[in-house]
Amino acid sequence: DQQVKQNSPSLSVQEGRISILNCDYTNSMFDYFLWYKKYPAEGPTFLISISSIKDKNEDGRFTVFLNKSAKHLSLHIVPSQPGDSAVYFCAASPSKGKGNLIFGKGTKLSVKP
Amino acid sequence: DVKVTQSSRYLVKRTGEKVFLECVQDMDHENMFWYRQDPGLGLRLIYFSYDVKMKEKGDIPEGYSVSREKKERFSLILESASTNQTSMYLCASSSSGFSTDTQYFGPGTRLTVL
Repeated sequence: DQQVKQNSPSLSVQEGRISILNCDYTNSMFDYFLWYKKYPAEGPTFLISISSIKDKNEDGRFTVFLNKSAKHLSLHIVPSQPGDSAVYFCAASPSKGKGNLIFGKGTKLSVKP
Repeated sequence: DVKVTQSSRYLVKRTGEKVFLECVQDMDHENMFWYRQDPGLGLRLIYFSYDVKMKEKGDIPEGYSVSREKKERFSLILESASTNQTSMYLCASSSSGFSTDTQYFGPGTRLTVL
């Protein structure tokens, strides 16, 4: 059973507009969440993270929001740029885990000029 | 800068061959991980290790084994490669054993088994 779900396999956005990528999770024991970005033929690169004690974390154009009651997080990219076109993975870390992460299946973002 | 390197970017092997994928990290990280990525399936954890000579099975360990003889090196072994092991293999490392540590990934090895 999938513990981390990214229900949209793809998203297309116009350059300059906001991109919103969503992620849902089922395990209330997750205490840390991360977003990774992946270009084809490359490894994922860490983008931004949020602890479960916060509801928002911002880094430049990227903001992650966490709604614990809904078990939902989202990544906002404003403004979107063509170079943001990639697959975005949401990941969650179980509390008292051994450092392993649970990944969603990814959302492919296309930013059109 | 964290650096995770993988021995090959592209690899082509034949069914039944023994395949070694090597991963090296230079940040003295305790944890190392092997994933495979397939379209529509995301990243699936094969094995991980949180210390030298320690290993734990991930979600899909069947057909794979691992070796961690030194802290900086984590090897994934396909004992007898099969066509359904054609995939992108990703190695990652992180700095400690619990909860909040970010994993850093290598560039990946695209393995094709014919």
